[in-house]
Amino acid sequence: RKEVEQDPGPFNVPEGATVAFNCTYSNSASQSFFWYRQDCRKEPKLLMSVYSSGNEDGRFTAQLNRASQYISLLIRDSKLSDSATYLCVVNNNQGGKLIFGQGTELSVKP
Amino acid sequence: GAVVSQHPSWVICKSGTSVKIECRSLDFQATTMFWYRQFPKQSLMLMATSNEGSKATYEQGVEKDKFLINHASLTLSTLTVTSAHPEDSSFYICSRRAAETYGYTFGSGTRLTVV
Repeated sequence: RKEVEQDPGPFNVPEGATVAFNCTYSNSASQSFFWYRQDCRKEPKLLMSVYSSGNEDGRFTAQLNRASQYISLLIRDSKLSDSATYLCVVNNNQGGKLIFGQGTELSVKP
Repeated sequence: GAVVSQHPSWVICKSGTSVKIECRSLDFQATTMFWYRQFPKQSLMLMATSNEGSKATYEQGVEKDKFLINHASLTLSTLTVTSAHPEDSSFYICSRRAAETYGYTFGSGTRLTVV
């Protein structure tokens, strides 16, 4: 089993749609959680950290359920510019190593 | 502007040659930096942790003699792919902890093609 697993993609949605990504992690000792965005042939960029209480940043909402070892990302009112691959990332606090999920590709169409 | 500078952005080399990739921390000193590799349609996989002034820590399955890491200063880590082969063609990315958040900042990546 992979340490971090994400929904298989791609997700093809119309502009304005709400889309949700799910992610599970296997190590219950994991400390920090993130969503990164990666555009084609570019480096990943931090979208948001994920906190136990849940957090929101504009159209983006992240949730963490430690009991279920589950992380989610909700994107509301999706824009064409949201098209990218979304990476679920976990830090097991072992010297700062990040464990990446395989990513979920999102394509927002006009 | 970028706070982690990676160079070169892309390189094409012949099989059997060596390629050096540089990763610079521009805004603060980084005692630890990380090197990742990403094959097409796959996620980033950590190759090694670069430690300033000491030996790098390699992940299981990564050949330390093939992927030489040098972290000689607090702002520069280098990855040298020695005797490159076509199967080493990949996207190599470095990172370090971000300054303001708990996240990590990545270099812009180096696309290596070995022909």
